[in-house]
Amino acid sequence: GQQVMQIPQYQHVQEGEDFTTYCNSSTTLSNIQWYKQRPGGHPVFLIQLVKSGEVKKQKRLTFQFGEAKKNSSLHITATQTTDVGTYFCAGHGTASKLTFGTGTRLQVTL
Amino acid sequence: DVKVTQSSRYLVKRTGEKVFLECVQDMDHENMFWYRQDPGLGLRLIYFSYDVKMKEKGDIPEGYSVSREKKERFSLILESASTNQTSMYLCASSLNFPSGTPTDTQYFGPGTRLTVL
Repeated sequence: GQQVMQIPQYQHVQEGEDFTTYCNSSTTLSNIQWYKQRPGGHPVFLIQLVKSGEVKKQKRLTFQFGEAKKNSSLHITATQTTDVGTYFCAGHGTASKLTFGTGTRLQVTL
Repeated sequence: DVKVTQSSRYLVKRTGEKVFLECVQDMDHENMFWYRQDPGLGLRLIYFSYDVKMKEKGDIPEGYSVSREKKERFSLILESASTNQTSMYLCASSLNFPSGTPTDTQYFGPGTRLTVL
């Protein structure tokens, strides 16, 4: 079945440093979604990418969908303590259901 | 705003008990989902439903069943709880989609942390 892996599993940064999480699928995806889960909270939708090579930005967050539509990345510039949480990618393959990645937990300290 | 509610935030049950987890959404979404979340494994799909009385197995359906008698309500049932079912359970809903078209955003409930002793 379709598998979606994320690396790293955990990253600890100092506030102001950049952060990147990578998402890799075993199969081609029709789209990729990103979610953020704050500690103690539930996943909340951030963005969806559909086109090959697509890049979207939300303030300090930059999302990219790979040319082959099998990988994606989320880059945060100059992290803040409010960025703390677990970031999940999720993609649709040939099946209609969404497959979530394993998640990257980000810790930011002052 | 879409609101997805789950019956309990925390639940403690004993091995062998029958457990019901309830999920209700108020946005008339056709699709509803049950996931379990475990450290290092992300969110894994247990079951989903795209219409009333319809259900589809997800990636890890063993040991679980579901019920969707009304559009707004999706129940997850553990027929005989076991310790390896201790986990965070998340319910989600989304709008319907034509066959072959990616779904819309999923909206999650607050989660139920189930402990089986």
